[in-house]
Amino acid sequence: AQSVAQPEDQVNVAEGNPLTVKCTYSVSGNPYLFWYVQYPNRGLQFLLKYITGDNLVKGSYGFEAEFNKSQTSFHLKKPSALVSDSALYFCAVRPGAGGSYIPTFGRGTSLIVHP
Amino acid sequence: DTAVSQTPKYLVTQMGNDKSIKCEQNLGHDTMYWYKQDSKKFLKIMFSYNNKELIINETVPNRFSPKSPDKAHLNLHINSLELGDSAVYFCASSLGRVRTDTEAFFGQGTRLTVV
Repeated sequence: AQSVAQPEDQVNVAEGNPLTVKCTYSVSGNPYLFWYVQYPNRGLQFLLKYITGDNLVKGSYGFEAEFNKSQTSFHLKKPSALVSDSALYFCAVRPGAGGSYIPTFGRGTSLIVHP
Repeated sequence: DTAVSQTPKYLVTQMGNDKSIKCEQNLGHDTMYWYKQDSKKFLKIMFSYNNKELIINETVPNRFSPKSPDKAHLNLHINSLELGDSAVYFCASSLGRVRTDTEAFFGQGTRLTVV
């Protein structure tokens, strides 16, 4: 069975500083990995995904994520945080071939960017 | 032009009542989902519906039932509502089995409060 761990319930960072939101996964075979963001009282919005190819993927709003197969991680990063980045971030995984097509989500990490 | 729309956005009802939440997607996706987000923001898959195939999370009480009149709609019916059913319910859609490398699109959520 596939699973996702987001080890931090909350990440605090000052505006202008780099941010990292951590995600590790477990899945059979190659993974398809996704990051979503949820602003207050809104649904989840897709940010970026890793399917294959370059381990560093770039997404919306200046976010990027690095796929590390040996560490089974897919951490979300941004070089310079904005207050408006404050939201709830979810990592999700599906097996790349075969298995369930239903994505499994992590528990979410609340990102708080301080002015 | 909303991709995945849910109605109502807020629903307050008494214990024991029966209620429905509607969901429609205009993306031409073949798979739709219902997720429950609890007070700790944890996202739990409830149902997945793909080409008349229903996959049910075994932990979901049978008071909950999805109904799909056509590929663009997946409504959620809840019978005999209980206090513990209070949560935010999200509808989502994707290309499911056809393209597992694609992201899901979420509705804005329905906040259900049972009193």
